[in-house]
Amino acid sequence: AQSVTQLGSHVSVSEGALVLLRCNYSSSVPPYLFWYVQYPNQGLQLLLKYTSAATLVKGINGFEAEFKKSETSFHLTKPSAHMSDAAEYFCAVTGNNDMRFGAGTRLTVKP
Amino acid sequence: GAGVSQSPRYKVAKRGQDVALRCDPISGHVSLFWYQQALGQGPEFLTYFQNEAQLDKSGLPSDRFFAERPEGSVSTLKIQRTQQEDSAVYLCASGTSGRPDTQYFGPGTRLTVL
Repeated sequence: AQSVTQLGSHVSVSEGALVLLRCNYSSSVPPYLFWYVQYPNQGLQLLLKYTSAATLVKGINGFEAEFKKSETSFHLTKPSAHMSDAAEYFCAVTGNNDMRFGAGTRLTVKP
Repeated sequence: GAGVSQSPRYKVAKRGQDVALRCDPISGHVSLFWYQQALGQGPEFLTYFQNEAQLDKSGLPSDRFFAERPEGSVSTLKIQRTQQEDSAVYLCASGTSGRPDTQYFGPGTRLTVL
């Protein structure tokens, strides 16, 4: 069965610093992997997705993620954090008919 | 542009009451998904429709939960005899195909059961 694990429920960075949010997956088939962002009292917004094309995926708001099969990882990065990046981030993998989400990582950006 | 809308946005129910949560998907989207998101957790799959057919309801936690999409567009998630553990945000998503990788999410309905 497909699943994802997000390492670190809270990450805090300074404005302008590198953002790194970790996600490892488990899948018996080639996975489709996603990163979503959720702002307070809002739904999920797709940041980027990997669907077996290029392993380095660029998304919105300057985020990108690299699919590494050897490490079963799909970590999310952004070179320079902005205050507006503070939110909850979810990694996800497609199952048979659904999306399987990690528990989320709350990103705090300090001025 | 019109995205996925959900109503009500907030619902407070007394334990034992029945509630109905509505989802209006993006026009023309054939697939529709319901998820339950408990506080501090990621969304958990509840059920999936393709047009009016409910193809997967394996995530519904009990027989108190029922979902329908009779005309293949609007969907309603009904919870009977609500319990405190039903308190969560209920998210709806719709997609252009039967695959879950094309989902667009609504803002959710926050249900609080007292």
